[in-house]
Amino acid sequence: AQSVTQPDIHITVSEGASLELRCNYSYGATPYLFWYVQSPGQGLQLLLKYFSGDTLVQGIKGFEAEFKRSQSSFNLRKPSVHWSDAAEYFCAVRGMDTGRRALTFGSGTILQVQP
Amino acid sequence: DADVTQTPRNRITKTGKRIMLECSQTKGHDRMYWYRQDPGLGLQLIYYSFDVKDINKGEISDGYSVSRQAQAKFSLSLESAIPNQTALYFCATSGPPTGELFFGEGSRLTVL
Repeated sequence: AQSVTQPDIHITVSEGASLELRCNYSYGATPYLFWYVQSPGQGLQLLLKYFSGDTLVQGIKGFEAEFKRSQSSFNLRKPSVHWSDAAEYFCAVRGMDTGRRALTFGSGTILQVQP
Repeated sequence: DADVTQTPRNRITKTGKRIMLECSQTKGHDRMYWYRQDPGLGLQLIYYSFDVKDINKGEISDGYSVSRQAQAKFSLSLESAIPNQTALYFCATSGPPTGELFFGEGSRLTVL
């Protein structure tokens, strides 16, 4: 079965500082990987996705993520955080080889941005 | 207008009442999903449907039922609501090839 672990429940960074949110997945083959963001009171918005090719993926709002097969990781990064990035971030996985499977989500990381 | 619309957005009800949450989409996707979000648990899959005649249980389907009335409509029912079903519920759709999800804005349900 596929699973996702986000080891950091809550992270606080200063505005302008760099950010890395960790995501580890468990799946026996090459997965599809996603990062979503949820602002307070809002639904989830897709930041970026990986399904093949270049392991460094660029997304919206200046975010990027790197797929590392050897570490089963898909960490999200941003070089300089803005106050508007404060939100909850979810990593998700789906198997490529099982088209009938739904996305499995991690438990989320809450990002707080200090002025 | 939103691509995925959920109604109601907020609902307070009492234990034992029947509740229906409705979802409609304009993306033309065949696949629709209901997820439940609780603080610290992320999103858990309740039910999903890959077309009108194909409905599948997710990881936490007990106490819930669904109906896929049309390609664009997928409703979630709680036959007899209980307090631990208090949560934020999301409907989502997906299309090929990667299956990325497009979410509604959520329905917050409180069961007293």
